[in-house]
Amino acid sequence: GQQLNQSPQSMFIQEGEDVSMNCTSSSIFNTWLWYKQDPGEGPVLLIALYKAGELTSNGRLTAQFGITRKDSFLNISASIPSDVGIYFCAGQAYTGGFKTIFGAGTRLFVKA
Amino acid sequence: GAGVSQSPSNKVTEKGKDVELRCDPISGHTALYWYRQRLGQGLEFLIYFQGNSAPDKSGLPSDRFSAERTGESVSTLTIQRTQQEDSAVYLCASSLAGTGTTDTQYFGPGTRLTVL
Repeated sequence: GQQLNQSPQSMFIQEGEDVSMNCTSSSIFNTWLWYKQDPGEGPVLLIALYKAGELTSNGRLTAQFGITRKDSFLNISASIPSDVGIYFCAGQAYTGGFKTIFGAGTRLFVKA
Repeated sequence: GAGVSQSPSNKVTEKGKDVELRCDPISGHTALYWYRQRLGQGLEFLIYFQGNSAPDKSGLPSDRFSAERTGESVSTLTIQRTQQEDSAVYLCASSLAGTGTTDTQYFGPGTRLTVL
């Protein structure tokens, strides 16, 4: 079945550093979604990407939908302690019904 | 309500007992999803409802797991004869499941299930 490879699994960075994480797949998706999960909470949508090549920003976050439709990346600039959490990518395809596949997550730790 | 709500937030049960987990989706959302998240792991798809029918049950791990939904409202995930391996956070999400090309899911806070 479809699988997403999300990397890195975890990152330990210093406050103020930029962060990059990505997801790749052997399958084509119509939509890429990036979520953040804080401890004890459900994932919250950060950015949604709808077209190949699309580059979208949300504050210090920037995400891109790969041209091949098989990959996406998320960048966080000038990280702050509250960026700590788990970031999930999700690829979505419509095949008579929506099918959403989640990556395993990137755990981000920010040291002040 | 404003968002997806789930209850209980925490559930501790003994091995072999049955549990019911509840999800209240965002009002007007026709699609509802259940996921399982084991400690330190990603999201594992369990079941998807469109209205009160379940076109995709492919993720249910065994026949001890079942789910139902009343109309386009509340859903209940039932785990019978719980095992320790069932310990996880169970997340519910809902969406508009529009006819366009996207289906953005909004998640509840989850129910943390611990089977002793």
